[in-house]
Amino acid sequence: GAVVSQHPSRVICKSGTSVKIECRSLDFQATTMFWYRQFPKQSLMLMATSNEGSKATYEQGVEKDKFLINHASLTLSTLTVTSAHPEDSSFYICSARALRGRGYNEQFFGPGTRLTVL
Amino acid sequence: AQSVSQHNHHVILSEAASLELGCNYSYGGTVNLFWYVQYPGQHLQLLLKYFSGDPLVKGIKGFEAEFIKSKFSFNLRKPSVQWSDTAEYFCAVNAGYGGATNKLIFGTGTLLAVQP
Repeated sequence: GAVVSQHPSRVICKSGTSVKIECRSLDFQATTMFWYRQFPKQSLMLMATSNEGSKATYEQGVEKDKFLINHASLTLSTLTVTSAHPEDSSFYICSARALRGRGYNEQFFGPGTRLTVL
Repeated sequence: AQSVSQHNHHVILSEAASLELGCNYSYGGTVNLFWYVQYPGQHLQLLLKYFSGDPLVKGIKGFEAEFIKSKFSFNLRKPSVQWSDTAEYFCAVNAGYGGATNKLIFGTGTLLAVQP
């Protein structure tokens, strides 16, 4: 159980276009999902926390108008990279929080989406 | 602010060698500590976690980690590595009881290559 999927797995787009990435929790409901960005040979950096039915909370330095997050249901969060530029090329990973018992919330990670902006 | 340091960026071992990967964090309050593994082409998976209690925690695939509060460390160990352990390993921390904040701060990762 606790499987998280992402779609697409890879996307190549032209500069100036917008790209939407979906994150789904397949077998559990997730009131909270997280979006991370991973640069080559670097760690995962949390971009934002996505809460179902409310606005996302962005980390310092992350442009909310650039990275639009929508968490419209308990199993789906989307990240839209608007007017993408080559510097937005990266590996985007989502995770979904699941209640595991004794009050502990564990995060389960999706497989990631490789975005390349030409 | 919380931060996590992994001192070994790239480790190469022969099969059956012992492994220890260092992880240090900076945060003065209650923390929850994690080790994640990312096998080539796969997503992050949880190896083990520490919340409270016995500071020596055992995870999957023969891995263990020891929380040493005085040293702010949570080093990952395995007595005898296998070729299949080749992967990238990430240490992570979040603050609060039960992972309350759930904001995971990751280290930069250690790429482990095990030679047959």
